[in-house]
Amino acid sequence: SAVISQKPSRDICQRGTSLTIQCQVDSQVTMMFWYRQQPGQSLTLIATANQGSEATYESGFVIDKFPISRPNLTFSTLTVSNMSPEDSSIYLCSVERQEGYYEQYFGPGTRLTVT
Amino acid sequence: QKEVEQDPGPLSVPEGAIVSLNCTYSNSAFQYFMWYRQYSRKGPELLMYTYSSGNKEDGRFTAQVDKSSKYISLFIRDSQPSDSATYLCAMSGYSGFGNEKLTFGTGTRLTIIP
Repeated sequence: SAVISQKPSRDICQRGTSLTIQCQVDSQVTMMFWYRQQPGQSLTLIATANQGSEATYESGFVIDKFPISRPNLTFSTLTVSNMSPEDSSIYLCSVERQEGYYEQYFGPGTRLTVT
Repeated sequence: QKEVEQDPGPLSVPEGAIVSLNCTYSNSAFQYFMWYRQYSRKGPELLMYTYSSGNKEDGRFTAQVDKSSKYISLFIRDSQPSDSATYLCAMSGYSGFGNEKLTFGTGTRLTIIP
């Protein structure tokens, strides 16, 4: 498995501002993922972050709104830019480990409320 | 139509009962099927995964996959109050190269009543 930490665990932000979420893993991993979890909805993949290359964004998510950094094999950040109340959600990072299959392990999440 | 459908519940059962959680899906390319457990205010925790059709057992948990019906199940025997959580099904194809995109159900909220 993997031990993943996220900072902050929660935040309340004003609309129009930006928040950067940090994700730290206890060992080196190639793939890191960022998800959004909104009430009553499925976990939705925002983007995949591979160290040393640009993040790959899913349909409906753009780099200007959700810039991602991946400076090394144990760390990544997701920024939620120019926030609106619709961005209120839980944001989760996950990592992939090949233990048989390519299993994904999740961090504890960052609970964001935009007022 | 969503690729993965999961009854959101809530589902409440008495302690000791057998719990059955289910998902249906529409994408026949899915080959790996996973169940995650998520406690309140925590991240999802991988419970077990199954490849293709068949059963897999791990302690009190049994995962079943029926690819012909596009239907997966998770059974919990001798349910305990500590099993109270939201259970998420997830599935993916298999490229063999990593970066396996997971498609999740919405989750079923389960409460075990002591």
